[in-house]
Amino acid sequence: DVKVTQSSRYLVKRTGEKVFLECVQDMDHENMFWYRQDPGLGLRLIYFSYDVKMKEKGDIPEGYSVSREKKERFSLILESASTNQTSMYLCASSQTGIYGYTFGSGTRLTVV
Amino acid sequence: AQSVTQPDIHITVSEGASLELRCNYSYGATPYLFWYVQSPGQGLQLLLKYFSGDTLVQGIKGFEAEFKRSQSSFNLRKPSVHWSDAAEYFCAVYNNNDMRFGAGTRLTVKP
Repeated sequence: DVKVTQSSRYLVKRTGEKVFLECVQDMDHENMFWYRQDPGLGLRLIYFSYDVKMKEKGDIPEGYSVSREKKERFSLILESASTNQTSMYLCASSQTGIYGYTFGSGTRLTVV
Repeated sequence: AQSVTQPDIHITVSEGASLELRCNYSYGATPYLFWYVQSPGQGLQLLLKYFSGDTLVQGIKGFEAEFKRSQSSFNLRKPSVHWSDAAEYFCAVYNNNDMRFGAGTRLTVKP
């Protein structure tokens, strides 16, 4: 069964901490994505990557960075966590978007 | 830029009743269209997709959707809803490496 795995289901971090959210896919997909999901706003794209060491900004990259050192792993980094980054974070991957994306189970991050 | 509108934030149906969730998209050409479902605390699961051919597409869990170009719509339907269908549903449109999601419709199923 193909999978996108996010390392944590729930995280609680303090304001100002550096936070790492990890995502691993086992489908050899080229493309990986990070979204945040907030009630009433749907999914908003933070960053995406089409290849190892490549990254592109999405719609809301401010306050975030990403790392893709290996094809299967895509990390989202909150350089200095703030309370307005409290959200559900979803990782996804695809070989080509015309067939849809495969999502992980999400990480619910609370910044206090 | 392409966009997706789901007019209904929340819908309640009785178990066994039929269901239709609405989706309208804004895009110049024929897009790739998707419906995803998200159970509480979970990620999104692909229900079905459309990109060409027959405008009525069948998906998993007994769902279907109909593409209507003249109305720019891609509504999701199910003839008889089960309690396990309670979830949030997202319509999405994809073009040129860009997947856009609607804000979602939350489905409540009454016993």
